[in-house]
Amino acid sequence: DGGITQSPKYLFRKEGQNVTLSCEQNLNHDAMYWYRQDPGQGLRLIYYSQIVNDFQKGDIAEGYSVSREKKESFPLTVTSAQKNPTAFYLCASSGESDTQYFGPGTRLTVL
Amino acid sequence: QQQVKQSPQSLIVQKGGIPIINCAYENTAFDYFPWYQQFPGKGPALLIAIRPDVSEKKEGRFTISFNKSAKQFSLHIMDSQPGDSATYFCAASKYGYNKLIFGAGTRLAVHP
Repeated sequence: DGGITQSPKYLFRKEGQNVTLSCEQNLNHDAMYWYRQDPGQGLRLIYYSQIVNDFQKGDIAEGYSVSREKKESFPLTVTSAQKNPTAFYLCASSGESDTQYFGPGTRLTVL
Repeated sequence: QQQVKQSPQSLIVQKGGIPIINCAYENTAFDYFPWYQQFPGKGPALLIAIRPDVSEKKEGRFTISFNKSAKQFSLHIMDSQPGDSATYFCAASKYGYNKLIFGAGTRLAVHP
């Protein structure tokens, strides 16, 4: 099966904890993205990476960190500095065309 | 200049109706305009996309109309079905730039 996988599907975080969301793709895409989606709102870009070992901040990067050590993987860490992390997090990837393909998402809830 | 404005926020139609969702952009450098469909709790899926060299594109029951001079594009769903009930997002980007700018989304409900 080709595609993008995200894990876990649901994640609960206590105040002050860092948590890491996983995103893996086997589409051989160079570019990968992380978005945040809040109820009734569009997708906001957190970070993106166009190539291994390189990434750029998106529109709402504060309180988040990423790494891109392998082409297939782009994990997102939600740090304790993110004051309102409860949201639906979406990972996407794109190849030579402009089309972005999305994973199934991770719903993060702060307890 | 980077915004994409989408309307309406929500839409209710009867089965067989033709819902129309509109988007407007400001950046004339944008040259790729996709529409995504998202069901609750799922990731968005590409529905249809258009480039500014054509004014209309059809794929099945879904049609994009594009007005370059007005910097507007719209999605029409012909013969809408209850299974089309979802949230629809328009987006825009500049070729090779990778970053998609999304509209705020339209929640569509198709009643039987």
